[in-house]
Amino acid sequence: AQSVTQPDIHITVSEGASLELRCNYSYGATPYLFWYVQSPGQGLQLLLKYFSGDTLVQGIKGFEAEFKRSQSSFNLRKPSVHWSDAAEYFCAVGKDTGRRALTFGSGTRLQVQP
Amino acid sequence: DAGVIQSPRHEVTEMGQEVTLRCKPISGHNSLFWYRQTMMRGLELLIYFNNNVPIDDSGMPEDRFSAKMPNASFSTLKIQPSEPRDSAVYFCASRRDRGDEKLFFGSGTQLSVL
Repeated sequence: AQSVTQPDIHITVSEGASLELRCNYSYGATPYLFWYVQSPGQGLQLLLKYFSGDTLVQGIKGFEAEFKRSQSSFNLRKPSVHWSDAAEYFCAVGKDTGRRALTFGSGTRLQVQP
Repeated sequence: DAGVIQSPRHEVTEMGQEVTLRCKPISGHNSLFWYRQTMMRGLELLIYFNNNVPIDDSGMPEDRFSAKMPNASFSTLKIQPSEPRDSAVYFCASRRDRGDEKLFFGSGTQLSVL
């Protein structure tokens, strides 16, 4: 069975600083990997996804993530954080039963300081 | 498109009462998922349907929980009887299974069981 670990529960960065959110996965085959963002009181919105090909994936809102098979990681990055990026971020991996459902990490809450 | 619609947005009920959460997936989507989000356990998959058929309900915590999808445009998640530990945000999500694994989430139902 697959699992996802987000080791950072809470991260605080200053506006304009760079950001990296960590995600490690455990999966027996080629993973389908995702990052979702959840703003307060809202549902989850897909930021980006990785299925195959180029290991550096570009997403919406200036986010990118890099798939590193050797490290079983799929870290999310942004070069310059905006105050509106404050939210909770979830990493997810596609389930092995036909890749129809996702297993989510526990989430990382991002706080942005002015 | 109106997106995934969940109702109610908030539900407050007393222990022992029956609770029914509703979800209308995006038209044309043939997979539907119910997730539960709590501080302690993060985001957990409860059950998912494909073409109105339950595929995996291993995440349903116990027999008090049941889910139905009588047609392609409607699903319910029922808890009977409800308990305080069921308090959480319940998300419904849908997806069109045509090689695009993008999952669209509703805004969630905040359930409080007193």
